[in-house]
Parts: sequence; C-alpha cells; structure tokens
Amino acid sequence: ETGVTQSPTHLIKTRGQQVTLRCSSQSGHNTVSWYQQALGQGPQFIFQYYREEENGRGNFPPRFSGLQFPNYSSELNVNALELDDSALYLCASSLGAGVYNEQFFGPGTRLTVL
Amino acid sequence: ILNVEQSPQSLHVQEGDSTNFTCSFPSSNFYALHWYRWETAKSPEALFVMTLNGDEKKKGRISATLNTKEGYSYLYIKGSQPEDSATYLCAFNFGNEKLTFGTGTRLTIIP
Repeated sequence: ETGVTQSPTHLIKTRGQQVTLRCSSQSGHNTVSWYQQALGQGPQFIFQYYREEENGRGNFPPRFSGLQFPNYSSELNVNALELDDSALYLCASSLGAGVYNEQFFGPGTRLTVL
Repeated sequence: ILNVEQSPQSLHVQEGDSTNFTCSFPSSNFYALHWYRWETAKSPEALFVMTLNGDEKKKGRISATLNTKEGYSYLYIKGSQPEDSATYLCAFNFGNEKLTFGTGTRLTIIP
C-alpha cells in the first residue's frame, strides 16, 4: 500500500508568481484535504476535495484553488504569491469525507516566497 | 471563533518517565477528536480518533482519554523512550469536513 506523497519537497518563489503543489492520495482513498502550516501554528484547513468536487473550504482567499483528478490525486494552486504564503503545505487523504474518517498525511511541501 | 488549545507548548522528559499533556476544545457540537504524532522531517501519523465521551484508547505505551462534556482530552505516554520525541497534535472536528488543529505539544525525551 503506497502512502500519501507530495511534490515537490521544497520550492522557492518570488512575490507575484504562481505555484502548483501536487499530492498523490493513498491507494483506495477518494478524499484529499489541504492544510497550510505557518511557523509556530497548527495546520490550517484550506479546502477538501471529494470525488473531484470541492467539499468545503477554510478561510483562504480565492487565489488558493485546487483540483482533484479521476485517480483522486490533487493539486493546490496559489496565484499572486505573497510573503505570508511561505509555509509548509500538507495534504491528507482519507477514505470518504466523513467526520470520523482518519486522515493520512503526506510529508508536506515547504514553500518559501521571497 | 472555535479554538483548540494544547498545553504545554513544549516538554522535556527523562527517558523512562511517564508524561501527559492536554488538548482543550469547545464542548458544544462535538463530533470527533484526532490525535497525531509528528516526527521531524516525517508525515504526521494518526494515533487515535476519539468520538465518545469517556472514550479511552491505547496504542502500545500511548493512551488517550476524552471528556466531551468539559472539553478536554489527555494524551499519556508511559515509560518514555527517545523515539517518542515528536510534536503531538490534536485536531477537533465540528461535524464538517474541516479539522481544526491545535499548535501542538513538542515533546523531547532526554536520554
């Protein structure tokens, strides 16, 4: 059973640029959630995708967008990068979008915006 | 604003000693509480999903209890080992797709 993987591991961008982060869900999982962890904080929910549809969104602006593909892998896109977007971005997959479902996390992508 | 708070923020424990830390959450609209262990440079690892008041779960030397009426959960580690060094996160679920995380307790085991 393959776990959750994310790419790239690290990324450096400049203000105003756009970035795409990728997540491959664990085999058999149809739900992917994305989180942002800024320094000194706990992970903050960005959004969730369930069977290719957005299934809930946290308090993030529209320049944060996502996709889920038929194989349930997912992308997080961030446009017009700001310095405050520097953070660790985590994705988690689960078998279903229910509240009791265990979420399995990837190792994260570290984004630095200069 | 619905917050999840964890205490202490960090903890140093001698190898072999037992320890515990706390996760506090709003007591209304409770659905589930998740505990994760996050070792440096690795993925957060799920420890427990707790759903019922009075729940007590155990995984090896680690156990957790849940009090939904007063809004807290305790995580206990018995006989700490160096491999227990990690950040322990709790996350509260209010009944939707979103997990609200605390800031974590960073545990360091001193050999």
